[in-house]
Amino acid sequence: EILLTQSPATLSLSPGERATLSCRASQSVSDYLAWYQQKPGQAPRLLIYDASIRATGIPARFSGSGSGTDFTLTISSLEPEDFAVYYCQQRANWPPITFGQGTRLEIK
Amino acid sequence: QVQLQESGPGLVKPSQTLSLTCTVSGGSISGTGYYWSWIRQPAGKGLEWIGRIYASGSTNYNPSLKSRVTLSLDTSKNLFSLELTSVTAADTAVYYCARAGDYYTPNWFDPWGQGTRVIVSS
Repeated sequence: EILLTQSPATLSLSPGERATLSCRASQSVSDYLAWYQQKPGQAPRLLIYDASIRATGIPARFSGSGSGTDFTLTISSLEPEDFAVYYCQQRANWPPITFGQGTRLEIK
Repeated sequence: QVQLQESGPGLVKPSQTLSLTCTVSGGSISGTGYYWSWIRQPAGKGLEWIGRIYASGSTNYNPSLKSRVTLSLDTSKNLFSLELTSVTAADTAVYYCARAGDYYTPNWFDPWGQGTRVIVSS
């Protein structure tokens, strides 16, 4: 089973700042990695898949990069609605499909 | 625009079977070559993939749950279902259904249902 480790656990930033979230895989997942955003009381929403492709309707301020074992989700300039929990997910080696434990992005 | 809606009992007794359905609207569950999945999230915790079912009815399960899980399709009602047997308190979670991609880009989850909370308690 591939373990995904996200860092930091919590990130405190202000609107307008740049956010950089990391996801590290216990073995290579090639570019088979996705990112999701989850707000309180809501289902997760797909942001990025195949490491760097934005899902339909996702603003350009969200970008993904990386391959192999190290991946980054970058939010170029934080909007108030971006404060949420973010999860990475891999589909390279499954079952099981696995998720990271999440990074909470909070307002500073 | 495809939408998914979970339904089922919110309370299940220990050792009994948890049964949930996911009704799909805005698209056919069987004719479009998509996969359909269940994912759960204990309160305050992360996401756990339970399994997926293809339009043909073929299934894949999380090995940690495989002995207790069954997914099925009802194409006449355009829904798919989850059965989880011998539940314990550890199965208490919000259960989500989601479309899990197609043949070319499988296992990315979009869209999701709103989720349904299931509590296992006597």
